Amino acid sequence: DAKTTQPNSMESNEEEPVHLPCNHSTISGTDYIHWYRQLPSQGPEYVIHGLTSNVNNRMASLAIAEDRKSSTLILHRATLRDAAVYYCILRDVAGAQKLVFGQGTRLTINP
Amino acid sequence: DSGVTQTPKHLITATGQRVTLRCSPRSGDLSVYWYQQSLDQGLQFLIQYYNGEERAKGNILERFSAQQFPDLHSELNLSSLELGDSALYFCASSDGPHQETQYFGPGTRLLVL
Repeated sequence: DAKTTQPNSMESNEEEPVHLPCNHSTISGTDYIHWYRQLPSQGPEYVIHGLTSNVNNRMASLAIAEDRKSSTLILHRATLRDAAVYYCILRDVAGAQKLVFGQGTRLTINP
Repeated sequence: DSGVTQTPKHLITATGQRVTLRCSPRSGDLSVYWYQQSLDQGLQFLIQYYNGEERAKGNILERFSAQQFPDLHSELNLSSLELGDSALYFCASSDGPHQETQYFGPGTRLLVL
């Protein structure tokens, strides 16, 4: 599985935008970029995914670099509930269905 | 609420014992996945079942086994437990066998003393 690199931790303030980076320089053409997050004492939950184009949903936006070697998860207006560990995961469209979790980024939101 | 349920929430047992963790997937989901989360190893994939058949295997120990029943619920059996098996065990489900979004349950916290 292609590797992703994320900062160990980030901090932001409530009601401000948050940009969570992910580097994946060895990404292949068939790898989708998925983001999951894990709130304290809960199981992981799906956030968003994309292949080449930027994606938006009700939770977040995903900005993918033109060369696909990096991506950024954008939380437009962080709330205290967004404090979690965020995982950037690559999934080959033709490969295994399992999710391979790295260490993720622990996001702290200050009130 | 993801719609995936896991029982029990907490389990405390002794080394050498055997336990069974249970997972009910979201209504309509045919795939069930098991993951282990420990402090030193992070979240690791153990095994996947799709419609009753084993689909993929990850870092699952030989002392561990799983199955998926005709009603699609799944059980993870852990035997000859060791202290190092203490962890959070998550079940996830998806509606197909491929790249669908996975929905995770709340987990079972296992403590082996």
